[in-house]
This record gives sequence, structure tokens and C-alpha cells, in this order.
Amino acid sequence: EDQVTQSPEALRLQEGESSSLNCSYTVSGLRGLFWYRQDPGKGPEFLFTLYSAGEEKEKERLKATLTKKESFLHITAPKPEDSATYLCAVQAVDTSYGKLTFGQGTILTVHP
Amino acid sequence: DAGVTQSPTHLIKTRGQHVTLRCSPISGHKSVSWYQQVLGQGPQFIFQYYEKEERGRGNFPDRFSARQFPNYSSELNVNALLLGDSALYLCASSGGYNEKLFFGSGTQLSVL
Repeated sequence: EDQVTQSPEALRLQEGESSSLNCSYTVSGLRGLFWYRQDPGKGPEFLFTLYSAGEEKEKERLKATLTKKESFLHITAPKPEDSATYLCAVQAVDTSYGKLTFGQGTILTVHP
Repeated sequence: DAGVTQSPTHLIKTRGQHVTLRCSPISGHKSVSWYQQVLGQGPQFIFQYYEKEERGRGNFPDRFSARQFPNYSSELNVNALLLGDSALYLCASSGGYNEKLFFGSGTQLSVL
């Protein structure tokens, strides 16, 4: 069974204090690893897809990296508007394309 | 362009009742997936429909059913509601069978 574990469960940062979120996964065969951002009362918003170990993608203050067992979401000089829940999900090669297995998320709070 | 739209936004039901949730995908998207998100957890896959056919089903009881209409909109039906069905129900659409998911804001279901 595919599994995704995210750590830490919650992270509090001061504005400008860089850090990383971790996503460990177990999957029979990885088709893709996804990062989403979710604000309270809203659905997840797509950030990145990573397909193979060594791949990296960046968007503004966010950078996602992938190894064979885990992914990291690096946040550089965060701002209060980066506060949200960050979700990691995997898609396995032997499942339907609409099926993602999500972790429980990391709640990020950035204080001004 | 409008994103994924879901209705209603909030719903209160009592145990044993039946509920129907509705989803309109992004224009041109033919795939719709349904997820259940319990408070404090990541979304859990329920169904995927592509071109009006069920393409994937998660580990949910037969009380959960869905269908997709010729215009690609979708309904999720839940019979004999239980307290544990209280959750945010998310709908996601994608343009093709292998494209990233775009989520709606969800329907918050409370079962009393």
C-alpha cells in the first residue's frame, strides 16, 4: 500500500527564516510526486510535480527536490502570505491517473 | 475561465440520510476525481471518472457512489450517512488522463 508521511506536522517561522518541509514516501512504482498548498476553507492549489530522483523545481520562494525515498520543499526567506498547509502526494504507476495518495500535511505559520 | 465549482458549499444532515454533492469541472476537462478530507488529515481518494466511465475507486464502502454526465459534470452520492462521514468533500478535474489535478473549494458536510 502506498504511504506518504510528512514532517514536521507544524512549523512556525519568523519572516525571512528559511527552512525545509519533508515528505517521505513508499510506493510500488512512482509515476509522480506532487506538492500542493491549501489555505483554510479552500481546496488544494497545485505547486509542483516531480517525476524522477534528482529533479528540482522552483517557484518564487519555494523549491522542491526529489530522491528515491523522499522529497523536500525548501522555503527561502518566507513571508506571512506563505502561511498555509503544504500537502505532498504520490501517484503510483499501477493506479488511475486521478488517484493521489496524500500525506497529512505540514501546517506552516510565518510570523511578521 | 472559471475553476472547478462545487455545490453546495456547506451542508448539514442527520445520520441515516442521503446526500448528493455536485461538481462542474474546468471547461474542456474530461476527468473528475472525488476526495474526502477529514479535519487535520490529507485528502483521501474516493473515485475517478474519465469520459463518463469509472476509472478508479478508493477504499470506501458501497454507500458511496458517483456518476459523470455527458457534459462531464459529476455527482457524488452518499447513502445512510454516518457521523464519520463528516468531512470536506473535494472534487478535482484534469484535462486528460495524465495531467495534474485542479481542485475545487469543496463541500463541507456535517452529519449530526
